[in-house]
Amino acid sequence: QVQLVESGGGVVQPGRSLRLSCAASGFTFSRYGMHWVRQAPGKGLEWVAVISYDGSKKYYADSVNGRFTISRDKSENTLYLQMNSLRTEDTAVYYCAKDQMASMDYWGQGTLVTVSS
Amino acid sequence: QSALTQPASVSGSPGQSITISCTGTSSDVGAYNYVSWYQQHPGKAPKLMIYDVSNRPSGVSNRFSGSKSGNTASLTISGLHAEDEADYYCSSYTNTVVFGGGTKLTVL
Repeated sequence: QVQLVESGGGVVQPGRSLRLSCAASGFTFSRYGMHWVRQAPGKGLEWVAVISYDGSKKYYADSVNGRFTISRDKSENTLYLQMNSLRTEDTAVYYCAKDQMASMDYWGQGTLVTVSS
Repeated sequence: QSALTQPASVSGSPGQSITISCTGTSSDVGAYNYVSWYQQHPGKAPKLMIYDVSNRPSGVSNRFSGSKSGNTASLTISGLHAEDEADYYCSSYTNTVVFGGGTKLTVL
């Protein structure tokens, strides 16, 4: 069965960096695009970034463009999100999700990132 | 990348039907048939309920249906069950993705 397990969340000061990971299993990781989606406490879903199946294409939300970088390692079946210059408004639960032809068919349980001094 | 517009809340009694709207523009919802709907229970990850406007993934009840007219997509839940109470989000996908603000469904 498909499993997505996020890790790397925690408390970080504004301006610092953090890297999230998403370990994928139960499907052929190298054949699918992958997303990061976040949800601030008590708020709605916000799409963050997507990477194509081969890593050649990456797209970002305007709110993170230039600060966050999505990447993937097919040998480790792992998706990453490098987050730099973090702001308090980046505080959220971060989910990774598997792409399925213009939708997200499987989601992880999320990892909480808190940006606070 | 402006959020799609959904009503903040809807409600219905068990057995009734409800419809949640999702309004975008001719650049997102109206441009392609790439509208999806997600259900999220408190403290849980979102779950895909409808993709490509009106298609149900395997395992999703046929009480859930989707449609689109112009720049507005809709999710209809028929024969409401108590367990349908959740937040629902629409999304539109081109190269980037935009979500709606979410609709809280209350089953009375």
